[in-house]
Amino acid sequence: QVQLQESGPGLVKPSGTLSLTCAVSGGSISSNYWWSWVRQPPGKGLEWIGEMYHSGSTHYNPSLKSRVTISVDKSKNWFSLKLSSVTAADTAVYYCARGTSGEGGVFDPWGQGTLVTVSS
Amino acid sequence: ETVLTQSPATLSLSPGERATLSCRASQSVSTYLAWYQQKPGQAPRLLIYDASNRATGIPARFSGSGSGTDFTLTISSLEPEDFAVYYCQQRSKWPRTFGQGTKLEIK
Repeated sequence: QVQLQESGPGLVKPSGTLSLTCAVSGGSISSNYWWSWVRQPPGKGLEWIGEMYHSGSTHYNPSLKSRVTISVDKSKNWFSLKLSSVTAADTAVYYCARGTSGEGGVFDPWGQGTLVTVSS
Repeated sequence: ETVLTQSPATLSLSPGERATLSCRASQSVSTYLAWYQQKPGQAPRLLIYDASNRATGIPARFSGSGSGTDFTLTISSLEPEDFAVYYCQQRSKWPRTFGQGTKLEIK
């Protein structure tokens, strides 16, 4: 079965760029699924960040669109998230998830999540 | 964007009781609604997709219903492991959005 694992720095300075990767095991990232990122500030709810289809199509949350880039590395079987110009409001647990094929938008499975703190 | 409003914010019940959680959308999402369960320190887990379809491995005590703007997640008889936070999420329109969550706690 497919498993996802996030990795990246746990601490990012304000105004810097948050960079995370999500390694996919047990399946190919080139298969017909959407690859997604969701975040959760401490003690709060879930916020969808964006998603990318294996073909390269992307959708981003308008609230973050100017700062977000999601990309896929087929050779490494992982996908990544970059969020620029971060502030303390970007402190959250970041999850990667696989979205269903076709129109996407049903997230299963999820990675375990990684906490990213924005602080100097 | 489509706003999802969940009620109640907190639900206090005892094991063996029936739980009914609601999710209301600010505009029609057809049946493109999912439910997730999240326990402390864990990632969300998909329970129900497209309003009424149980995900793989989800017990039959979990059921979903609704269409358009009003949806319900029902847990027929609560087990101790069911006490968690539940989120609804729509995929009808971008951006994908989640409700604010309902915390199901032990009474």
